[in-house]
Amino acid sequence: DQQVKQNSPSLSVQEGRISILNCDYTNSMFDYFLWYKKYPAEGPTFLISISSIKDKNEDGRFTVFLNKSAKHLSLHIVPSQPGDSAVYFCAASASDMRFGAGTRLTVKP
Amino acid sequence: DVKVTQSSRYLVKRTGEKVFLECVQDMDHENMFWYRQDPGLGLRLIYFSYDVKMKEKGDIPEGYSVSREKKERFSLILESASTNQTSMYLCASSFLGGREAFFGQGTRLTVV
Repeated sequence: DQQVKQNSPSLSVQEGRISILNCDYTNSMFDYFLWYKKYPAEGPTFLISISSIKDKNEDGRFTVFLNKSAKHLSLHIVPSQPGDSAVYFCAASASDMRFGAGTRLTVKP
Repeated sequence: DVKVTQSSRYLVKRTGEKVFLECVQDMDHENMFWYRQDPGLGLRLIYFSYDVKMKEKGDIPEGYSVSREKKERFSLILESASTNQTSMYLCASSFLGGREAFFGQGTRLTVV
């Protein structure tokens, strides 16, 4: 049973608009959440993270929001750029790290 | 810069072969992980290790074993490769209590 779920396998947005990627988790023991970005034939690279004691973390164009009561987090990318096109994985951490299935983001020029 | 190196980018093996996937990290990380990535399933944890000679099963350990004899090296072993183990294998490492894991470039394994 997947503990981390990304229910949208793909998302397409126009350049300059906002991209919102969503993630849900089931295990209340997770206390740290991360987003990774992955290009084909490469390993995932860390993008942004948030501790469970916070509800928002910003880094440039990237913001992660955490709603603990709903066990939901989201990644906002504003403005979206064509170079953001990749697969984005949500991850949740306790003693180990579990990942979602990924969302393929396509940003169209 | 953290470096996690997987010994092969691409491997083709025959059904029934014993397969070794090697991973080395140079940042003195305590934690090391093996995942496999499959379309629609994301990254699934096979095994992880938080210290030399220590290992914990992840979500899908069946058909796999691991070895960690030295802190910097974590090996994934397919005891008898099967076609359903054709996948992208990713190794990662992190500090104990650290949260960000660093990944290798992946090994695309094909079992024929």
